[in-house]
Amino acid sequence: KAGVTQTPRYLIKTRGQQVTLSCSPISGHRSVSWYQQTPGQGLQFLFEYFSETQRNKGNFPGRFSGRQFSNSRSEMNVSTLELGDSALYLCATQPNPQVNEQFFGPGTRLTVL
Amino acid sequence: AQKVTQAQTEISVVEKEDVTLDCVYETRDTTYYLFWYKQPPSGELVFLIRRNSFDEQNEISGRYSWNFQKSTSSFNFTITASQVVDSAVYFCALTPPGANNLFFGTGTRLTVIP
Repeated sequence: KAGVTQTPRYLIKTRGQQVTLSCSPISGHRSVSWYQQTPGQGLQFLFEYFSETQRNKGNFPGRFSGRQFSNSRSEMNVSTLELGDSALYLCATQPNPQVNEQFFGPGTRLTVL
Repeated sequence: AQKVTQAQTEISVVEKEDVTLDCVYETRDTTYYLFWYKQPPSGELVFLIRRNSFDEQNEISGRYSWNFQKSTSSFNFTITASQVVDSAVYFCALTPPGANNLFFGTGTRLTVIP
């Protein structure tokens, strides 16, 4: 069974630009969560999607948004990038919200210059 | 509010030594899940264990064992006979009931010296 896939793996952007990251879940997994990992703030929850609906949201500004498609693939978007958005963005999936066991992808490392 | 504390920032041990990683948590919820994840240099978080707050039974899986003590709000992780491949950052995490947002500790970087 293929694991969680995240694309791209590495990304370099400049301040003010926007970026879209993609996450393809494990086959059969319909719940997708996103996390941001930085040296200063550690691992922080961004949002969770299930059945194309945002189920839960962390404490991040509105520049951070996401969506989920009917095939359970998810994207997250960050607009008006700031230097502080440089981070490893991790996607985690699980079969459904009740299972409570998340499997993580390799992450997308975003660098904002 | 939920909070997970991993007081040990970095630990170094010599191969074959045993090592215990500490995790202390705070929550007002009576039910919750606790987790341990391993993050090797590749960056991917690897699931190690999930524990329901109602289940205080200790668990052993090969060289890994976990000690959950609700009375002290601790969920410690022991690696027996450590190996170089155990070198990684280990995270303890908690989820509140009915939710899947993991609250992570700051992690403990374990280095196993050959």
